Amino acid sequence: EAEVAQSPRYKITEKSQAVAFWCDPISGHATLYWYRQILGQGPELLVQFQDESVVDDSQLPKDRFSAERLKGVDSTLKIQPAELGDSAMYLCASSPDRNQETQYFGPGTRLLVL
Amino acid sequence: AQSVAQPEDQVNVAEGNPLTVKCTYSVSGNPYLFWYVQYPNRGLQFLLKYITGDNLVKGSYGFEAEFNKSQTSFHLKKPSALVSDSALYFCAVRDMVPSTLTFGKGTMLLVSP
Repeated sequence: EAEVAQSPRYKITEKSQAVAFWCDPISGHATLYWYRQILGQGPELLVQFQDESVVDDSQLPKDRFSAERLKGVDSTLKIQPAELGDSAMYLCASSPDRNQETQYFGPGTRLLVL
Repeated sequence: AQSVAQPEDQVNVAEGNPLTVKCTYSVSGNPYLFWYVQYPNRGLQFLLKYITGDNLVKGSYGFEAEFNKSQTSFHLKKPSALVSDSALYFCAVRDMVPSTLTFGKGTMLLVSP
């Protein structure tokens, strides 16, 4: 069964450092999502791509976060500089297109900022 | 704006007993409703969804959910709980505009042997 791949699974960094997360969606899925899940809360959308275009990044802290999906396939989420409050699980999800109801999630990257 | 409420932080049930995890929602139009499960240090796994049609939706691992429009609820149920069902359960709602999912805060289900 096809799955969404994410790496790394765990990342420990010091504040003010740069970090990057990678996501490879299910093959053929045009829509890709990045979520942040703080411990004890549900996931919150950071950015949504349709192919290589950003559809929604209204909740992305653009002063420090950036996301790209240059060829419309895999995607990278970057944080620079990292802050203590960025410690969270970062989840990637994909769906065949933005009108498809079901999103399929990867295993996530757990970030700890010291 | 759309929202989801999961009123219980934790639900405890004995193995073999029926379980219910509660969810209520608020959307401006017709809701698309979802349940996901999350095991420790893992991503979310899709369980089931309601889009339209029969109010009782059947999903993975023997779970089902009942859509109640008048009570704006979408409670998750299972007739007989298993210890392996112990996990964190999230309810989510999607409105047509914007086409994004809004998740509840999650409910921890603990099934004791």
